[in-house]
Amino acid sequence: KAGVTQTPRYLIKTRGQQVTLSCSPISGHRSVSWYQQTPGQGLQFLFEYFSETQRNKGNFPGRFSGRQFSNSRSEMNVSTLELGDSALYLCASSLARQGINEQYFGPGTRLTVT
Amino acid sequence: LAKITQPISMDSYEGQEVNITCSHNNIATNDYITWYQQFPSQGPRFIIQGYKTKVTNEVASLFIPADRKSSTLSLPRVSLSDTAVYYCLVLNTNAGKSTFGDGTTLTVKP
Repeated sequence: KAGVTQTPRYLIKTRGQQVTLSCSPISGHRSVSWYQQTPGQGLQFLFEYFSETQRNKGNFPGRFSGRQFSNSRSEMNVSTLELGDSALYLCASSLARQGINEQYFGPGTRLTVT
Repeated sequence: LAKITQPISMDSYEGQEVNITCSHNNIATNDYITWYQQFPSQGPRFIIQGYKTKVTNEVASLFIPADRKSSTLSLPRVSLSDTAVYYCLVLNTNAGKSTFGDGTTLTVKP
């Protein structure tokens, strides 16, 4: 069974630009969660989508948004990029509810904002 | 949400048992505890999950005391390939939000 895939793997953007990251969950998984990982803040929860609806959201500004499609694929968007948005963005999928079931993480997208 | 603390780093030798303890003092009734392993340039990988008492799978055991204010991940007979960062995660099922600890860097020496 194919794992969670994320595209692109690496991205360089300039301050003020926007970016869209993509995540394809494991087949059959309906829950997709996004996390930001930085050396200073560690792993922080962004949001979770289930059946095309955002179920939960972490403490991030409105510049961070996402969506999920009918095939469970998910995208996250960051607008008006700031230097502090440089991070590894991880996507994780699970069969049902986040945390109750085992989450499978993708390799991440490394975003660098210059 | 739970405040989570875990040791920054630990050293061990091949063949030893390693115990990593995570403190989550304000864990809520419906919170679950999960441990993940992460290697450089990879996403975290699920190790084990529990709610209370003891859970064991083929790679690890998870001990959770009755008050659930802490949990201990036990890795039996570690090898060099177990060198990684280990994260404790608490899920608040009411808020649906996950809180990760800052991670414990385990270094296994020959």
